Amino acid sequence: AQSVTQLGSHVSVSEGALVLLRCNYSSSVPPYLFWYVQYPNQGLQLLLKYTSAATLVKGINGFEAEFKKSETSFHLTKPSAHMSDAAEYFCAVIQGGYQKVTFGIGTKLQVIP
Amino acid sequence: DAGVIQSPRHEVTEMGQEVTLRCKPISGHNSLFWYRQTMMRGLELLIYFNNNVPIDDSGMPEDRFSAKMPNASFSTLKIQPSEPRDSAVYFCASSPGQGNEKLFFGSGTQLSVL
Repeated sequence: AQSVTQLGSHVSVSEGALVLLRCNYSSSVPPYLFWYVQYPNQGLQLLLKYTSAATLVKGINGFEAEFKKSETSFHLTKPSAHMSDAAEYFCAVIQGGYQKVTFGIGTKLQVIP
Repeated sequence: DAGVIQSPRHEVTEMGQEVTLRCKPISGHNSLFWYRQTMMRGLELLIYFNNNVPIDDSGMPEDRFSAKMPNASFSTLKIQPSEPRDSAVYFCASSPGQGNEKLFFGSGTQLSVL
């Protein structure tokens, strides 16, 4: 069965610094991978998704993620953190042809002024 | 479009009471999901409907939980009887249902069982 592992339940970065949130996947077939963001007291919103068209995926708010099959990773990055990026980020995987989405445990991003 | 609408936004109830959570998916979406979010377990998929039919309910914790989707625009998640360990945020999400598409989440129902 497919799953994702997020390394680090809490990450703190300074405003303007690089954001790196880690996600590794486990899948027996080529996966479809997603990053979602959850702001306080809200539901999740899609940041970006990987569907095998390109290994580097650009999303909203300046975020991007790179699919690396050799490392089974799909890490989320942003060159320069903004205060508004403070939220919880979830990596997720879906098996092709079936709508069941499995989420990681989430990583809370704190941005320090 | 108003997005996925959940009600109530907050629910406080006493142990043993019946709780009903409601969800209106985005019009035209064929798939509907109920998730539960807790600090300890993160986001757990409880049940998934496609074209109003339950496809996967393996995540439903026990018989106290039940979900229905009587039509394409409405779904309920019921807990009877409720227990303190059911306290969590319950999210409903919908998608167009064509496969591998993003989920659109509601704002959630914060359930507290005392």
